[in-house]
Amino acid sequence: ILNVEQSPQSLHVQEGDSTNFTCSFPSSNFYALHWYRWETAKSPEALFVMTLNGDEKKKGRISATLNTKEGYSYLYIKGSQPEDSATYLCASRRSNDYKLSFGAGTTVTVRA
Amino acid sequence: SQTIHQWPATLVQPVGSPLSLECTVEGTSNPNLYWYRQAAGRGLQLLFYSVGIGQISSEVPQNLSASRPQDRQFILSSKKLLLSDSGFYLCACQTGSSYNEQFFGPGTRLTVL
Repeated sequence: ILNVEQSPQSLHVQEGDSTNFTCSFPSSNFYALHWYRWETAKSPEALFVMTLNGDEKKKGRISATLNTKEGYSYLYIKGSQPEDSATYLCASRRSNDYKLSFGAGTTVTVRA
Repeated sequence: SQTIHQWPATLVQPVGSPLSLECTVEGTSNPNLYWYRQAAGRGLQLLFYSVGIGQISSEVPQNLSASRPQDRQFILSSKKLLLSDSGFYLCACQTGSSYNEQFFGPGTRLTVL
């Protein structure tokens, strides 16, 4: 299991503000980086899968970047809304392994 | 696309009692299947994974076990539950030519008293 770290553990954002948070992972034998959104009382929902250094993915107001050489990914939320409140999980996968190693998540609370 | 079913949704069990959680998958064949647990205030911990019928790999030593009697059925069991087994249990399915993305079931909230 890989050492995947996310920071901060939690953050509070005012509605309309933008925010970002980090996922760091081992860069050796890297295969893919996943982001999931996990809302209370629901199952984790896949947001992005990124594989190439420099990848950028966007879904509505949420976007993510990937740096495989230094082993980090940023997730950005632009113009936060209350419905963005959730725990955001990242997971790393290495070559020749199906398993994902998850970080502990960043819990985002958007205040109206 | 695949659908993942888990039951029960919630469960309250006394310490020392047995456990059986079931996960079934529809809409795909030959998936990789995973059991995760989220303990209070912590991230997702991989417990078991399976790449085929009867094939189980354990990630952490514990008093839980898993079985895969059919291609799309994955069962998590215990003979005697501990207080520390309380948590949220998620089953996940991984399919496709690259077996990349994992899709999660609705989960089971287990409370051991």
